[in-house]
Amino acid sequence: DIQMTQSPSSLSASVGDRVTITCQASHDSSNYLNWYQQKPGEAPKLLIYAASNLEKGVPPRFSGSGSGTDFTFTISSLQPEDIGNYYCQQYDSLPYSFGQGTKLEIK
Amino acid sequence: QVQMVQSGAEVKKPGASVNVSCKASGYTFINSDIHWVRQATGQGLEWMGWMNPNRGRSGLAHKFKGRVTLTRNTSISTAYLELSSLRSDDTAVYYCVTAGFGDWGQGTLVTVSS
Repeated sequence: DIQMTQSPSSLSASVGDRVTITCQASHDSSNYLNWYQQKPGEAPKLLIYAASNLEKGVPPRFSGSGSGTDFTFTISSLQPEDIGNYYCQQYDSLPYSFGQGTKLEIK
Repeated sequence: QVQMVQSGAEVKKPGASVNVSCKASGYTFINSDIHWVRQATGQGLEWMGWMNPNRGRSGLAHKFKGRVTLTRNTSISTAYLELSSLRSDDTAVYYCVTAGFGDWGQGTLVTVSS
């Protein structure tokens, strides 16, 4: 099974800051990597698929990069509405697995 | 647009079973796998399994084998998750998701309590 290690577990940043979250896979996941945003009481929302592709309707301040075992998620300029939890997920091989999550707060 | 509408919250006693339904609309039901993901309160996301609605094939994460059954009724475009031998640590929100993980159900809270 592929284990996903996500960091940091929590993050506090100011509006306008560049924010970066990383995810490391225990085995090569090619580019089969999703990033999600989840707000309290809501289902997760897909932001990035195939490591670097922006889901339709998602603001371009969100981006993803990486392949193989190392992946990065970036918010280029943090906005107040970006607070929430963020998760990576590999879908290269079953069982699909999620990172532990990153709680993003505004300073 | 694609919609995944799940059944309502459930309260069950330990040892009982629960059945969660997920009605899909806005696409051809048999053309896309459905995945199930759960989330305990305040915790992260946990992938449980998948099902191919066309052939009825399914696969489960190791920890759920023997306790989870995934089925579907293609005539009403609905997928089902049955979890048996419920324990307190099965208390969670259960989500159904389309194959690309782009469309999620609203979630079904299952509470296991004596």
